[in-house]
Amino acid sequence: DAGVIQSPRHEVTEMGQEVTLRCKPISGHDYLFWYRQTMMRGLELLIYFNNNVPIDDSGMPEDRFSAKMPNASFSTLKIQPSEPRDSAVYFCASSPRRPGIGRSGELFFGEGSRLTVL
Amino acid sequence: GESVGLHLPTLSVQEGDNSIINCAYSNSASDYFIWYKQESGKGPQFIIDIRSNMDKRQGQRVTVLLNKTVKHLSLQIAATQPGDSAVYFCAVGVGSNYKLTFGKGTLLTVNP
Repeated sequence: DAGVIQSPRHEVTEMGQEVTLRCKPISGHDYLFWYRQTMMRGLELLIYFNNNVPIDDSGMPEDRFSAKMPNASFSTLKIQPSEPRDSAVYFCASSPRRPGIGRSGELFFGEGSRLTVL
Repeated sequence: GESVGLHLPTLSVQEGDNSIINCAYSNSASDYFIWYKQESGKGPQFIIDIRSNMDKRQGQRVTVLLNKTVKHLSLQIAATQPGDSAVYFCAVGVGSNYKLTFGKGTLLTVNP
């Protein structure tokens, strides 16, 4: 089975440009997460969805960031306008169950989208 | 708030040796704990987890130990192999809260 698929794998853009990152979760997974990874802050949860509905976006840095999940097989994370401090690796992860139940920690991560904002 | 830290940011071992990676957490309400492995250029991959009602759990070549008294957990890798070279993260959660808190990671390097 295919895992979580993210695109693009690498993105280099200039400050002020719009960036759209895409994610296809594993089929049948009801939970989808967007994480950001930097050397300074490690892995940070930005937002998560349950059954396509955003549940908590308190980790989203600011209004420049937005995320959508129009259907069960697709999600986007958009940054507009982008800034150099947004440079990071953005991971999408999905899970078949709510954390704390069963193998609660098993998030299935994609390979990430490395964003560089010049 | 929760904070999760690691005692050693880097660990270098010889192939065949056992590796121990440590992690401290601060929230005494934390009740599930996970270890992830991240290879270069890839996303984190689940290794093993443990709930707070246990103090030890074993997997294939890996063992996680949990000491709730001192809020510490460790990952032991037996007979470390070059393929084990990666960054290892501990992550901590509370109840059904999806908000796992990840540690900064330990880079494990296995020398052949």
